[in-house]
Amino acid sequence: DQQVKQNSPSLSVQEGRISILNCDYTNSMFDYFLWYKKYPAEGPTFLISISSIKDKNEDGRFTVFLNKSAKHLSLHIVPSQPGDSAVYFCAANPMDSNYQLIWGAGTKLIIKP
Amino acid sequence: DGGITQSPKYLFRKEGQNVTLSCEQNLNHDAMYWYRQDPGQGLRLIYYSQIVNDFQKGDIAEGYSVSREKKESFPLTVTSAQKNPTAFYLCASSPWDNTEAFFGQGTRLTVV
Repeated sequence: DQQVKQNSPSLSVQEGRISILNCDYTNSMFDYFLWYKKYPAEGPTFLISISSIKDKNEDGRFTVFLNKSAKHLSLHIVPSQPGDSAVYFCAANPMDSNYQLIWGAGTKLIIKP
Repeated sequence: DGGITQSPKYLFRKEGQNVTLSCEQNLNHDAMYWYRQDPGQGLRLIYYSQIVNDFQKGDIAEGYSVSREKKESFPLTVTSAQKNPTAFYLCASSPWDNTEAFFGQGTRLTVV
């Protein structure tokens, strides 16, 4: 049973346009969410996070939106650049006794020139 | 330079052999983790440690062992009992509340 789901295995977007990556979760107790970016044969790097007390967090070209009632979050990248081509992982932290991150399966973003 | 270092980057192992993957961090993080990534899949937790001399099994601990004798170090041994060890292994560290995990560059293990 996947508690964090990224239903799109891949997404192709034109350079300069907006990329929207989606993530759904099942556990309403999840309290903190993170997005990571991963290039092939490298470790993931942290992009942006959001606490459940907020519905939006912005950092440069990256914005994360959280809809708690729908148990849905999305990462917006605007404008998309070629270097954004990577796999993006969504993760949830229940902020309970063991603080383990629950990971989605990832979405491969391809930015077309 | 603060960071987390995994070595080696590539590792080949013969069937039936144990092999140890190194992970060192100088971020002064309390918690450390080992994940496995297979093609087209997300990260699966093997083991984690929230404090020195203590560690817990993750979702796929069978065939693996770890130790946490020092705060900076969390080596992973892939034993011969692991049925399908060929994978990309990632080590991470984080503050105690895991609000941001930092990853190493990964080790690709291939069984030949």
